[in-house]
Amino acid sequence: GAGVSQSPSNKVTEKGKDVELRCDPISGHTALYWYRQRLGQGLEFLIYFQGNSAPDKSGLPSDRFSAERTGESVSTLTIQRTQQEDSAVYLCASSFYGTPRTDTQYFGPGTRLTVL
Amino acid sequence: KQEVTQIPAALSVPEGENLVLNCSFTDSAIYNLQWFRQDPGKGLTSLLLIQSSQREQTSGRLNASLDKSSGRSTLYIAASQPGDSATYLCAVRRSGGGADGLTFGKGTHLIIQP
Repeated sequence: GAGVSQSPSNKVTEKGKDVELRCDPISGHTALYWYRQRLGQGLEFLIYFQGNSAPDKSGLPSDRFSAERTGESVSTLTIQRTQQEDSAVYLCASSFYGTPRTDTQYFGPGTRLTVL
Repeated sequence: KQEVTQIPAALSVPEGENLVLNCSFTDSAIYNLQWFRQDPGKGLTSLLLIQSSQREQTSGRLNASLDKSSGRSTLYIAASQPGDSATYLCAVRRSGGGADGLTFGKGTHLIIQP
């Protein structure tokens, strides 16, 4: 079946503009995650959605970052008033959260964001 | 705060060799540990997931071990091939599972010379 998809694949924006990144998880996956990978750095957890529960926003770096998810489907990550340090690859992953054995996260190809 | 370290940062070996990648983590209260590979310009591909109660997992030429008490995992690659060239990432999820995402190491950049 189809994997995790993300759009756009590349986004170039000017400092101060808002951007929206989209993630389509694997159908039936209850959990959805956003990560960020800045150049030369490891992956950094941002936010986690599980079913209809309130999202875990503990990893969001500032209040300029927000994310939404409708049920167990599409998610959008919004960055307001972008700064140059927001430049990174933003990766989305989904999993069927239930037991440790089924918790494998499947990643999308990412959105490369460049803030000029 | 959980920290994950991977050694070596880079490795280059001739085709056909067996090799071991190392991962260590500071907090042993983990839910599971996962190994991924990342190819340039692409997302991550899951290789193996080891539950906290397991000692190892195998998939084809790959074998991953977990020693939770010492905070270590290894990924063994047998009979390496040029197609194995990629960055290998180790990641842990803390006990309780759903509280947060994975904590990743910075990866081992592996080059298999033909």
